Amino acid sequence: DGGITQSPKYLFRKEGQNVTLSCEQNLNHDAMYWYRQDPGQGLRLIYYSQIVNDFQKGDIAEGYSVSREKKESFPLTVTSAQKNPTAFYLCASSITGTGYNEQFFGPGTRLTVL
Amino acid sequence: AQSVTQLDSHVSVSEGTPVLLRCNYSSSYSPSLFWYVQHPNKGLQLLLKYTSAATLVKGINGFEAEFKKSETSFHLTKPSAHMSDAAEYFCVVSFKRGGSYIPTFGRGTSLIVHP
Repeated sequence: DGGITQSPKYLFRKEGQNVTLSCEQNLNHDAMYWYRQDPGQGLRLIYYSQIVNDFQKGDIAEGYSVSREKKESFPLTVTSAQKNPTAFYLCASSITGTGYNEQFFGPGTRLTVL
Repeated sequence: AQSVTQLDSHVSVSEGTPVLLRCNYSSSYSPSLFWYVQHPNKGLQLLLKYTSAATLVKGINGFEAEFKKSETSFHLTKPSAHMSDAAEYFCVVSFKRGGSYIPTFGRGTSLIVHP
């Protein structure tokens, strides 16, 4: 079955700790994205990657970091510099970043910082 | 500036009545447009997309949307709501940023369906 997996589904961390969210896809897609979802604000783009070993900041990249060492994987690290990290995080992929292709989404990770 | 606006944060309908979810965008060209649905605590699923072919686009679960260039709108409709349609709906527009087309999400419309 092709798709996107995110793990874990729920994540709890203490304030000041870095945490890494996993995103893996077996769709052979070039482009991958990370979004943050807060109630009433839609999805806001954190980082995106159009190709392996390359990524760009989205609209709210401060306090986050990513890597794209493999086509299938695009992990997101929420650092202690992120002032309000509690949110629902969604990973997505698309065949390319041309804009004509729909995105496929993972099930999300809900991060709670205590 | 390029933007996408969903005009209603909540829409409430009775089961069996029509659904209208409104979306307007601001762009100097005709972009690609999408509607996605999200059920509680789940990822998003594509309902339909417009990519400069027919202006009336049919999607899954009986939804359709009409692209109106003169009004810069892409409203989502369904003739008869079902209880299972209750969810969050997002209008998405792909805008060009630098050399890439990046999807930009509206804030979402919560569809409430009453029995």
